[in-house]
Amino acid sequence: NAGVTQTPKFRVLKTGQSMTLLCAQDMNHEYMYWYRQDPGMGLRLIHYSVGEGTTAKGEVPDGYNVSRLKKQNFLLGLESAAPSQTSVYFCASSLFSFNTEAFFGQGTRLTVV
Amino acid sequence: AQSVSQHNHHVILSEAASLELGCNYSYGGTVNLFWYVQYPGQHLQLLLKYFSGDPLVKGIKGFEAEFIKSKFSFNLRKPSVQWSDTAEYFCAVNSGGGADGLTFGKGTHLIIQP
Repeated sequence: NAGVTQTPKFRVLKTGQSMTLLCAQDMNHEYMYWYRQDPGMGLRLIHYSVGEGTTAKGEVPDGYNVSRLKKQNFLLGLESAAPSQTSVYFCASSLFSFNTEAFFGQGTRLTVV
Repeated sequence: AQSVSQHNHHVILSEAASLELGCNYSYGGTVNLFWYVQYPGQHLQLLLKYFSGDPLVKGIKGFEAEFIKSKFSFNLRKPSVQWSDTAEYFCAVNSGGGADGLTFGKGTHLIIQP
């Protein structure tokens, strides 16, 4: 029972490089989310999806793009990485938008140098 | 936009001490409330949640929280902490009608000294 799986777990990028973070869930959840966690800031929502083929902006979307081509996968892309995007990224999923628990992945620690 | 305030950013306690972590939120309508815990190097795990009903909710590992609607609060408590409770604790809110997931507080870093 994998739950929410994120790949990779660690990555170091040079400024200007691009990469994609993959989130996969096996719980048939409709809702998926990408958060970033920074010291003293808690978790902030980057983008979210309410179902296959849909995406929406969260609190801090600039510099990121997302896609949800398959219900079980939610991809987070950085087209041109910046040092300000150094963070720990968490993916989460939930069955509904309300009265439901969110399940989190193990996180991806990204460093942009 | 709703916001969540956690009053204590760093808390240091001795084992067997009692714990109370404060959480206040700003949204005035129907809410879901959560406390998540993050042990060092790990992902977020749900401690407890409130959707409706009894405002005193019990979670895992002896934690409990009380929803006080009039105070917009959802404080976390534990009568006697253990060294293994050392972790980061996050309060989170989900407001009714929104699809954009949880709004988190900034977290409380709890250190339990043996």
